[in-house]
Amino acid sequence: AQSVTQLDSQVPVFEEAPVELRCNYSSSVSVYLFWYVQYPNQGLQLLLKYLSGSTLVKGINGFEAEFNKSQTSFHLRKPSVHISDTAEYFCAVSVRSGNTGKLIFGQGTTLQVKP
Amino acid sequence: GAGVSQSPSNKVTEKGKDVELRCDPISGHTALYWYRQSLGQGLEFLIYFQGNSAPDKSGLPSDRFSAERTGGSVSTLTIQRTQQEDSAVYLCASSLKASGRPGETQYFGPGTRLLVL
Repeated sequence: AQSVTQLDSQVPVFEEAPVELRCNYSSSVSVYLFWYVQYPNQGLQLLLKYLSGSTLVKGINGFEAEFNKSQTSFHLRKPSVHISDTAEYFCAVSVRSGNTGKLIFGQGTTLQVKP
Repeated sequence: GAGVSQSPSNKVTEKGKDVELRCDPISGHTALYWYRQSLGQGLEFLIYFQGNSAPDKSGLPSDRFSAERTGGSVSTLTIQRTQQEDSAVYLCASSLKASGRPGETQYFGPGTRLLVL
């Protein structure tokens, strides 16, 4: 079975400061890794995903994430956040060899950007 | 183009009533997923449809939950005899899921917020 742990439920940060949202996963099989963002009263939007190749993945809105196989982590980073980045962020995995592609999500991290 | 749409956006019902939630996926997307987002359980997979294949129902929490997808497009999630613990946001997602393409991006709708009184 697969599981995803987001280590921080809330992350407060000042505008223009850097931020890291942490994600660790557990799986006995190879997985794909995703970060989604959810703005208030909206659905989820893909920020970035890791399928293969370079372990540093760049996404939308200036976000990037690094896949670390040995530490089973996929932390999300942004060098300088904006007020508009305030949202909930979800890390997710899906099994590479499965047929469904269903996503298994972490509990989410609320990013609160303060002026 | 148009994204995934869901209706209604909000639904309030009384305990014991049946509800139907609708999802219109992105045109041309063959894969369709339902997820549930609740305070206690976070985001959970419910059911998956792919083309004409048998759906993956492994995430449905009880036999009160069912879903169908007619004509490979629109999907309806039905909850019978609703309970207060069914209160949640029900999210639908679709993806291209072409054969052999791994890690397809899922595009989510805005969700239906269900409140069972």
